[in-house]
This record gives sequence, C-alpha cells and structure tokens, in this order.
Amino acid sequence: AAGVIQSPRHLIKEKRETATLKCYPIPRHDTVYWYQQGPGQDPQFLISFYEKMQSDKGSIPDRFSAQQFSDYHSELNMSSLELGDSALYFCASSSTGGYYEQYFGPGTRLTVT
Amino acid sequence: EDKVVQSPLSLVVHEGDTVTLNCSYEVTNFRSLLWYKQEKKAPTFLFMLTSSGIEKKSGRLSSILDKKELFSILNITATQTGDSAVYLCAVELNYGGSQGNLIFGKGTKLSVKP
Repeated sequence: AAGVIQSPRHLIKEKRETATLKCYPIPRHDTVYWYQQGPGQDPQFLISFYEKMQSDKGSIPDRFSAQQFSDYHSELNMSSLELGDSALYFCASSSTGGYYEQYFGPGTRLTVT
Repeated sequence: EDKVVQSPLSLVVHEGDTVTLNCSYEVTNFRSLLWYKQEKKAPTFLFMLTSSGIEKKSGRLSSILDKKELFSILNITATQTGDSAVYLCAVELNYGGSQGNLIFGKGTKLSVKP
C-alpha cells in the first residue's frame, strides 16, 4: 500500500539559506500535518492543512511557511535557516481531519551547518 | 522496502487488564526502535530500544526488543482509561553512522473502558 512520501530524505544547508520540504500524502487523504523533532526531543506539531486550508497551527516559527496544493501535497518552506533548525521533519496524513489515524512519513533529516 | 507493522490495529480492553502491543520490522539499516504514545496533537516518547533482550520499564509500561526475530512488544499492565491513545512504533534507520529517518508503523489504537 502507498505510504506518505517525503522528499528529500536528507538535506544539508548552511545558515541563512532556505529549504523546501515536500510531503505527498497517502492517496485520498485530505489532511496533512507537519512535525519537527529535534535531537532527543518529542515531535513538535508545526502546522496542519485540511482540504488545502490551514486547519491548525502549532509552534511554527515565523521564518517557516507551508501550504497544501490542489493535489493535496504539501510543502514546508524554511528561510533564514539557523543551526537550531537541524531536526527531523515529519509529515503525516489522514483522511479524518482529526489527530487519530495519522500515517507518518519517513521524515526529512535537515542538517544546518 | 523498509516497513514496520504493528498489531493489532485497534484494541478495546477494560480497566485493570494487561495488554501487549506488537511491532515487527524489516529495514535495511536498523539503528533503534522507538515507541510513542499519541493522544493529542503530537506523539510523546515512551521508549528507545537498541539492544536485544533488555527490558525497559517506566511505571506500568515496559518494552523489549528482539533483533533476531525483528520485533518488539510494548506491555501495559493494570490499564487505566488514561492509557487510551494510539501507540506508535517507529524504527530509526542508520545513516552513515548517524541518525537517519524514522519508519513508522500504522499504530495501535487502544481504548480502555471503565
């Protein structure tokens, strides 16, 4: 069965650069969630989209923005990268719009040097 | 293809029961296995397992890893209604000796009835 796809899987950027992470949800899933997991930390909820509209917002920095496109894929744009942005960024999708029954992607490991 | 399979997908028990959640995996480059509890927005960490046969315990929860048979179990004894949640198993991949991606299972939805 198709799973959540994230690209790239690994990304190395320098401070002050920008990065774009992509998430392709499971087919027919209309809700996408983004999480950030720093070293040794729990995943932190960043933002979610339902039917291409932002549905909830968590601890997403102002330097980050995200959107969901008409094909339901989502992109997380990160600007003015800082060393502290180094983390594993997860995307999850669901068909319910709720927080249960999320299917997680493998994450994008971002390293900022 | 790397995969993590959890079973059962859902489980309904009564308070006081003991439950065992299963997680099996097939990955190319194993680093560690993690258990999370998700009841609100984001999963919260429970255990990280890297070595076979060493049980980790935290209160009524315990977990163990079998790297030969490629599975882990999460036990919850004397369940309480507050244990109701989705329990996620994830395998961390090794990436050049460093932390890699996490491959998640679909989760087990546990409902504990009073």
